[in-house]
Amino acid sequence: NAGVTQTPKFQVLKTGQSMTLQCAQDMNHEYMSWYRQDPGMGLRLIHYSVGAGITDQGEVPNGYNVSRSTTEDFPLRLLSAAPSQTSVYFCASSKNSGLGGEQFFGPGTRLTVL
Amino acid sequence: GENVEQHPSTLSVQEGDSAVIKCTYSDSASNYFPWYKQELGKGPQLIIDIRSNVGEKKDQRIAVTLNKTAKHFSLHITETQPEDSAVYFCAAGYGQNFVFGPGTRLSVLP
Repeated sequence: NAGVTQTPKFQVLKTGQSMTLQCAQDMNHEYMSWYRQDPGMGLRLIHYSVGAGITDQGEVPNGYNVSRSTTEDFPLRLLSAAPSQTSVYFCASSKNSGLGGEQFFGPGTRLTVL
Repeated sequence: GENVEQHPSTLSVQEGDSAVIKCTYSDSASNYFPWYKQELGKGPQLIIDIRSNVGEKKDQRIAVTLNKTAKHFSLHITETQPEDSAVYFCAAGYGQNFVFGPGTRLSVLP
């Protein structure tokens, strides 16, 4: 049972490039989410999904796309990277939503946009 | 929407002393309050949580208290140890999601 896995661990992009951050979980969780973590600002929700085929925006969705074609995978796409997207990105999953249930976090992806 | 404040932003204690971190939330509809510990280079990990129908919960050296009327909840760590040094986040379960506080960096000095 690997839990939540994320790839890559580190990435450097140039402004305007696109890329996909991968996230997978093997716990059969319906709820998955993406956060970005910036110094002094905690974790801010980018997008979330309550099940395969269902996604919705969080607090800071601009510049990011997601899809959920399977229960296991929840990739995050940066369409045209900007320096403001330099951050650490965490994927998380849980059996339930924010109404009560432990969220399991992946190890994170540190992204630098030059 | 929900807003979660957390204090202090940094906290240093001597090994063996207690540490207290406080959070306030704004939306009375929030009903689930987890606390996460994040060690350097890792993702956050749940250490304790409390639901709105409970006032206090303990797990060994860790306890959480909730005051629904005042909309605040606190994390208490007793007999601190060097391995307790980390960043701690509080969160409020709001609708289908969670809103996190900005974090507290706890340092336990030997």
